Amino acid sequence: DAMVIQNPRYQVTQFGKPVTLSCSQTLNHNVMYWYQQKSSQAPKLLFHYYDKDFNNEADTPDNFQSRRPNTSFCFLDIRSPGLGDAAMYLCATEPGPGLKGPDTQYFGPGTRLTVL
Amino acid sequence: QKEVEQDPGPLSVPEGAIVSLNCTYSNSAFQYFMWYRQYSRKGPELLMYTYSSGNKEDGRFTAQVDKSSKYISLFIRDSQPSDSATYLCAMTPYSGGYQKVTFGTGTKLQVIP
Repeated sequence: DAMVIQNPRYQVTQFGKPVTLSCSQTLNHNVMYWYQQKSSQAPKLLFHYYDKDFNNEADTPDNFQSRRPNTSFCFLDIRSPGLGDAAMYLCATEPGPGLKGPDTQYFGPGTRLTVL
Repeated sequence: QKEVEQDPGPLSVPEGAIVSLNCTYSNSAFQYFMWYRQYSRKGPELLMYTYSSGNKEDGRFTAQVDKSSKYISLFIRDSQPSDSATYLCAMTPYSGGYQKVTFGTGTKLQVIP
């Protein structure tokens, strides 16, 4: 059974046309992450939520926004996609910080974004 | 210099071979070390998780950490065609709170039947 679901799996948008990617989870995890992964590159953390607390990475462009209306869902909004934003976008969840150390991150299958 | 360096490969081996995948890192604050497997068009899946230096074995997989050399390895014994994937090393200092995980770029492995 899918635990972290991302929709759509493939998204094509036009240069400058806003796009929203969606992530949902059935794990009831407190933490949700959004990563950007370009071809042959490491996943790059964009931001994360711990419950409702939003944390933006310092180098995440303002063009990227996120919403988490409830525990199960998280959205990535790209306000004005540029050609350089074409990438795989990965959502991951985690139960929450443990006392003994970090917990496992569970990744979704990703959404591949193409910008024309 | 990148915080985490990983040879992108591709690495092509015959079925049954022992595979060695490696990463080096520069941040001495990293304490937790992970290996993820990523199949084509899928999200990464956690394979192994180690804390500090030493070895950890799980079936055909062995993870090794040498903090003094800032070097981690993943060994795959009796490699199978189903092991063909990209392997990402990852690490985090983890001082509490959320995990700021730094990934390597991944090594693409192909196991030939």
